[in-house]
Amino acid sequence: AQKITQTQPGMFVQEKEAVTLDCTYDTSDPSYGLFWYKQPSSGEMIFLIYQGSYDQQNATEGRYSLNFQKARKSANLVISASQLGDSAMYFCAMREASKGGSEKLVFGKGTKLTVNP
Amino acid sequence: EAGVVQSPRYKIIEKKQPVAFWCNPISGHNTLYWYRQNLGQGPELLIRYENEEAVDDSQLPKDRFSAERLKGVDSTLKIQPAELGDSAVYLCASSLEPQIRGYGYTFGSGTRLTVV
Repeated sequence: AQKITQTQPGMFVQEKEAVTLDCTYDTSDPSYGLFWYKQPSSGEMIFLIYQGSYDQQNATEGRYSLNFQKARKSANLVISASQLGDSAMYFCAMREASKGGSEKLVFGKGTKLTVNP
Repeated sequence: EAGVVQSPRYKIIEKKQPVAFWCNPISGHNTLYWYRQNLGQGPELLIRYENEEAVDDSQLPKDRFSAERLKGVDSTLKIQPAELGDSAVYLCASSLEPQIRGYGYTFGSGTRLTVV
């Protein structure tokens, strides 16, 4: 079963408008962390924002905010005032326990965001 | 501070040939990861090191893939022999535990492998 589901293969937004990228997750662990990464065409994964399962407030980082709805197991990324440079792939990821007591990131399939001028 | 450095950036090889990727993590990061990202997919963990010990290699296809992290610093991922299905981007990441609100993970730019 998919642990991270991103249902939007592609999204379009006009410059300066806000956009929401969807992410739902599946876990039975009460302690987990959720991440959003941006991957431009150059390939590197750029960390955007993090939400801990016990955080009382939704995370915000500049123009990025995370709409965390724990009961619905959703962690949507909101980008306000979109810029042309925001065009990229966006990945939602969850930190979960792995073999040997260590942890790993489990990623969704990503959403390609295109910002139109 | 230099980020996670990977080389080469691109590699094209014929099937059945060997190939190796190199990763230099951020100085002081004790944990190192190799991820594989197939086209149109998110990255998937291949192996995780804590210092020089491979603590999770359950997803590494051990018949053809091998990895090492000498002295708990640089790491090399090798494929021998390569198959067409190995074409992907291989991402290296490092982290310092404990992490502070997700800022711990840092990814390299990846190596894009094409097997022809």
